[in-house]
Amino acid sequence: SSELTQDPAVSVALGQTVRITCLGDSLRSYYASWYQQKPGQAPILVIYGQNTRPSGIPDRFSGSSSGNGASLTITGAQAEDEADYYCHCRDSTGNLALFGGGTKLTVL
Amino acid sequence: QLQLQESGPGLVKPSETLSLTCTVSGDSITSKNYYWVWIRQPPGKGLEWIGTVHHSGSIYYNPSLKSRVSIFVDTSKNQFSLRLTSVAAADTAVYFCARTDYTLTWFDPWGQGTLVTVSA
Repeated sequence: SSELTQDPAVSVALGQTVRITCLGDSLRSYYASWYQQKPGQAPILVIYGQNTRPSGIPDRFSGSSSGNGASLTITGAQAEDEADYYCHCRDSTGNLALFGGGTKLTVL
Repeated sequence: QLQLQESGPGLVKPSETLSLTCTVSGDSITSKNYYWVWIRQPPGKGLEWIGTVHHSGSIYYNPSLKSRVSIFVDTSKNQFSLRLTSVAAADTAVYFCARTDYTLTWFDPWGQGTLVTVSA
């Protein structure tokens, strides 16, 4: 199946740890990348590869993968982490790109 | 620092052609092994990949849009462009351009996005 599935919404208490998950067959072949999008803004890359953060991304963001799943973990969530998060993966059948439906993270 | 900026009409009539350009600054569009991407987001919805292009001519399109879309690179202007024909209301979206590399496994950076509304 050429799809990526995410939970629509997740909440976390301030300072606690939250995991956002992404499921799809293509994740068995390629690593996921993760994007944070705040209202009215363009997405920004927060994790790619095995677990690589671009310059400027806080180290409370980390990524992992296993089988057909990938996860983005925020350790010690901050108020500014409240946003939509999208996973992306290269389609295992070719050079196409897949996005998950997005997860709305609420920091309580 | 690499920056991308989308430009084009914000309003397109149904059945007409949507045309957008992404201007790349801070590096050459032919630099290294970078590929260039269009992604869109309908209001209140998720991200949809449109297509990916390399200055050498390699192009990959979303199968759901393939019959209507074309993406091409203008190396003289350091730009790449999107054309989407026979547009309908469902094509109303914020259109983003972005960069990836030969792995096609990440997108960074993104342009700020431009809203295109399809309406008579």
